[in-house]
Amino acid sequence: DAGVTQSPTHLIKTRGQQVTLRCSPKSGHDTVSWYQQALGQGPQFIFQYYEEEERQRGNFPDRFSGHQFPNYSSELNVNALLLGDSALYLCASSSWGQSNQPQHFGDGTRLSIL
Amino acid sequence: GENVEQHPSTLSVQEGDSAVIKCTYSDSASNYFPWYKQELGKGSQLIIDIRSNVGEKKDQRIAVTLNKTAKHFSLHITETQPEDSAVYFCAAALTDSWGKLQFGAGTQVVVTP
Repeated sequence: DAGVTQSPTHLIKTRGQQVTLRCSPKSGHDTVSWYQQALGQGPQFIFQYYEEEERQRGNFPDRFSGHQFPNYSSELNVNALLLGDSALYLCASSSWGQSNQPQHFGDGTRLSIL
Repeated sequence: GENVEQHPSTLSVQEGDSAVIKCTYSDSASNYFPWYKQELGKGSQLIIDIRSNVGEKKDQRIAVTLNKTAKHFSLHITETQPEDSAVYFCAAALTDSWGKLQFGAGTQVVVTP
């Protein structure tokens, strides 16, 4: 039973560029949440997708956008990259509406901005 | 919004001793409190969670306690082993915002043989 998978594992970009990160949820899960984890800090909630719609959003600018596909996989897009966007980006999956089901995290994508 | 504070930021314990990490939260409506373990280069692994209708939960060497009145919850690790060395994060969430976890800043636990 595959867990949450993310790709790529590492990525290096320069300021102003755009990046797309990908996530496949754990088998049986239909909801994907994205988090940004800066060095030495806890993960910060970016947004959550269910039924291909953004359901909740954290305090992140519009440069951060996402998408969910019919197979429940998801992408995180970041435009006009800034140095401060350097972080570990984590994807978590869960089952919508089942409040007794916890979130499962992938190993993340390490994004470095030069 | 919810704010979670976690202490201490670093914790060094001798193998076999106990480790305790404490978190406080601000939103009294929060009712789900998971704990995650993050090892170097990996994502966060859920190790235990507790809901607001329970005061304590135990799983082998790991236990979590919740004090709703004081709005704090704690992770207890007994008989620590070197493989317990990692960063531990507490989090809080509301039932109607289940996917929106608010994390603490993390505790680096080092278990020395």
